[in-house]
Amino acid sequence: KQEVTQIPAALSVPEGENLVLNCSFTDSAIYNLQWFRQDPGKGLTSLLLIQSSQREQTSGRLNASLDKSSGRSTLYIAASQPGDSATYLCAVYYNTDKLIFGTGTRLQVFP
Amino acid sequence: DAGVIQSPRHEVTEMGQEVTLRCKPISGHDYLFWYRQTMMRGLELLIYFNNNVPIDDSGMPEDRFSAKMPNASFSTLKIQPSEPRDSAVYFCASSLSGSPNEQFFGPGTRLTVL
Repeated sequence: KQEVTQIPAALSVPEGENLVLNCSFTDSAIYNLQWFRQDPGKGLTSLLLIQSSQREQTSGRLNASLDKSSGRSTLYIAASQPGDSATYLCAVYYNTDKLIFGTGTRLQVFP
Repeated sequence: DAGVIQSPRHEVTEMGQEVTLRCKPISGHDYLFWYRQTMMRGLELLIYFNNNVPIDDSGMPEDRFSAKMPNASFSTLKIQPSEPRDSAVYFCASSLSGSPNEQFFGPGTRLTVL
């Protein structure tokens, strides 16, 4: 069964810290991997998409890496801010169509 | 582009009633997906369409759930009859085939069945 797991489930840090969120997947035959942000009661905002041929993607303070052989991806958030507080979801494309979501990491950044 | 549009944003209904959720995908996208999000199970794919044709409905929980896509710009997810355990947020997403085939999500419909 194709499963996606995220660790930790929740994280609370002071403003300014650099963070690493982890995502692991059981089947390494992935197509793409995407990181989303979800604010409470809101929809999903796409942060970064890494294609299977890529090793990482960067957007501003965010950097996502992909290691297919070990079945892992990490999302690095530099210099965290209170506005980064949200749930972060990792999602894996196992073919061009099907997206399997992880369990999510709930992040709180306090001033 | 306005993005993926879903309506209604919130729906409160009583058990046994029929519920219809609506989705307008991004213009030109040929894939449409319906997801359900609950605290217990997270985000789950219910069904998806390619060029208006259902491709995989293995995630549809029961026969009470049905989905249609009569044309490229409109899809519905219907629950009949609704039950309290159907309470969840339902998301619609669309994508364009070809690399990278990224999915874009609508704002969701929060359904409460009393």
